Amino acid sequence: NAGVMQNPRHLVRRRGQEARLRCSPMKGHSHVYWYRQLPEEGLKFMVYLQKENIIDESGMPKERFSAEFPKEGPSILRIQQVVRGDSAAYFCASSFEQGGTLGAFFGQGTRLTVV
Amino acid sequence: DAKTTQPTSMDCAEGRAANLPCNHSTISGNEYVYWYRQIHSQGPQYIIHGLKNNETNEMASLIITEDRKSSTLILPHATLRDTAVYYCIVRFTGANSKLTFGKGITLSVRP
Repeated sequence: NAGVMQNPRHLVRRRGQEARLRCSPMKGHSHVYWYRQLPEEGLKFMVYLQKENIIDESGMPKERFSAEFPKEGPSILRIQQVVRGDSAAYFCASSFEQGGTLGAFFGQGTRLTVV
Repeated sequence: DAKTTQPTSMDCAEGRAANLPCNHSTISGNEYVYWYRQIHSQGPQYIIHGLKNNETNEMASLIITEDRKSSTLILPHATLRDTAVYYCIVRFTGANSKLTFGKGITLSVRP
């Protein structure tokens, strides 16, 4: 869905570096979700944010990972000190309202490769 | 969110209807059925959703049984570009509701 924009599409980082993934939701959407898909595996929920608030971070690893969705600008998923196991596709989705019947719409993802 | 059960894979011939089943026997009254698909590691694509009535849009039809314990996604005229993993998801419409993906069903459309 072209409406949710993620960048970069591909990101290569060396072990120990930081990765910053950006997500601009669809116009008018104030709810953002981040998912991770490891190679040959399913989509795993990471975190759910509303503007300036983290609503649910039950899927976030306890260390090195953080997410924010500021009042202005895109949502950022930040991975510090990346390791090879962080190599995955990271997808962002946005929705118009919390708990509404409308579904969430996904971006095309950022493929992170840690070398 | 209630869990869903889908076959691992199925195939169909191009131009024929593809009927993708999903069981959600523990669904509760305020939970909707959503279908998404993922084409070869692209971002998941929303297809359709419903509560208890059958739904149709330009992509597909969703048939939900009267007891709501199962549903079928119908692609009326499958094309090669419909080859993808299809996810049936049950989601409640309350606070902190999120989409929880299972393994999905791999649909292969053959020429």
